[in-house]
Amino acid sequence: QVQLQESGPGLVKPSQTLSLTCTVSGGSISSGSYYWSWIRQPAGKGLEWIGRIYTSGSTNYNPSLKSRVTISVDTSKNQFSLKLSSVTAADTAVYYCARDHPRFDSSGYVDAFDIWGQGTMVTVSS
Amino acid sequence: AIRMTQSPSSLSASTGDRVTITCRASQGISSYLAWYQQKPGKAPKLLIYAASTLQSGVPSRFSGSGSGTDFTLTISCLQSEDFATYYCQQYYSYPRTFGQGTKLEIK
Repeated sequence: QVQLQESGPGLVKPSQTLSLTCTVSGGSISSGSYYWSWIRQPAGKGLEWIGRIYTSGSTNYNPSLKSRVTISVDTSKNQFSLKLSSVTAADTAVYYCARDHPRFDSSGYVDAFDIWGQGTMVTVSS
Repeated sequence: AIRMTQSPSSLSASTGDRVTITCRASQGISSYLAWYQQKPGKAPKLLIYAASTLQSGVPSRFSGSGSGTDFTLTISCLQSEDFATYYCQQYYSYPRTFGQGTKLEIK
């Protein structure tokens, strides 16, 4: 049973860089054709997809955040990471890591987020 | 970016009721749509993908339909554990986008 766990500082100062890591347990991050995503949710608001990475290092980012986001993967540690630079109070949110598994099956094309971490709250404040 | 609009934003219902939530995409997305359930303080849980396919382990009282721009999530007989917030999400194009959510509350 694959599980994801986010970790990182819960408080980041404005203008600094937010750094989070997602550790994959119960399976290899490199097995299968999985992509690994970051998604965030401000308190009381909806979900925003930040971006994703494949174990080859190939990435896709949300254009609204692309200039500030870097997602990387460390297969030796079974982890992937998020860096978000120049943060402001608007970046305060619960940050989730998630797995998606793009594939074709009997339903057609599928690429939904089937496994999520529990989420970690990050507050941007001085 | 494709905009996903859910209606209603909130809904009050009773145990045993049948409820329907609607999700509309700003452009056609074929059947590339997923539905999630989120309870307070928890991560979202995948319910349905490809607009109508139930994720393994999800009760059959949940069903989804639609294609193109208009989609629905139906819960046929509400149980107490179904009161939560529901989100639709498109995976037709980047960036992946979610609806704003529909909060299902107990009447």
